[in-house]
Amino acid sequence: KAGVTQTPRYLIKTRGQQVTLSCSPISGHRSVSWYQQTPGQGLQFLFEYFSETQRNKGNFPGRFSGRQFSNSRSEMNVSTLELGDSALYLCASSLAVASGLNEQFFGPGTRLTVL
Amino acid sequence: QKEVEQDPGPLSVPEGAIVSLNCTYSNSAFQYFMWYRQYSRKGPELLMYTYSSGNKEDGRFTAQVDKSSKYISLFIRDSQPSDSATYLCAMSATSGTYKYIFGTGTRLKVLA
Repeated sequence: KAGVTQTPRYLIKTRGQQVTLSCSPISGHRSVSWYQQTPGQGLQFLFEYFSETQRNKGNFPGRFSGRQFSNSRSEMNVSTLELGDSALYLCASSLAVASGLNEQFFGPGTRLTVL
Repeated sequence: QKEVEQDPGPLSVPEGAIVSLNCTYSNSAFQYFMWYRQYSRKGPELLMYTYSSGNKEDGRFTAQVDKSSKYISLFIRDSQPSDSATYLCAMSATSGTYKYIFGTGTRLKVLA
């Protein structure tokens, strides 16, 4: 079974630009979550999508947005990039069980560098 | 104050040592306690999880939760160089939630 894939793996952008990251979940997984990972803050939850709807959102500004398509693939967009947006962006997919632990399977991440 | 605190390390130990990794937390509503392992240039992978209090053992790994002290631990016995990675604790408060709160991770290096 193929794992979670993320594209691109590396990106370099300049301040003020926008960027779109893509995530393909494990086949059959309907939930996709996005996290930002930085050395100082660790992993921080951005948002979670299920059946094309955003169900949960973390404490990030509106410049961070996402969407999910009918095939469960998800994209994340960051507009007006700032230096502080440099981070590893991780996508995780899950089966979306109603109770118990929703084990999340992470992709390898997209390393974004903002110059 | 962060909801979850974790010593960033790095922690260097000789092969065969017992490793203790720890996290403290402030939210008494947390019920699921997880440990993830993240190798360089990879995403985190779930090692083990515990629901509520108690211990859980899986091979060389033991997870402990002390809800009264708001403290969780991961013990690695007979550590191997292949255990060298960053270990992240994560917690969630409700069943079915996707909003995990992660620690910042502890970098572990096991020296051959």
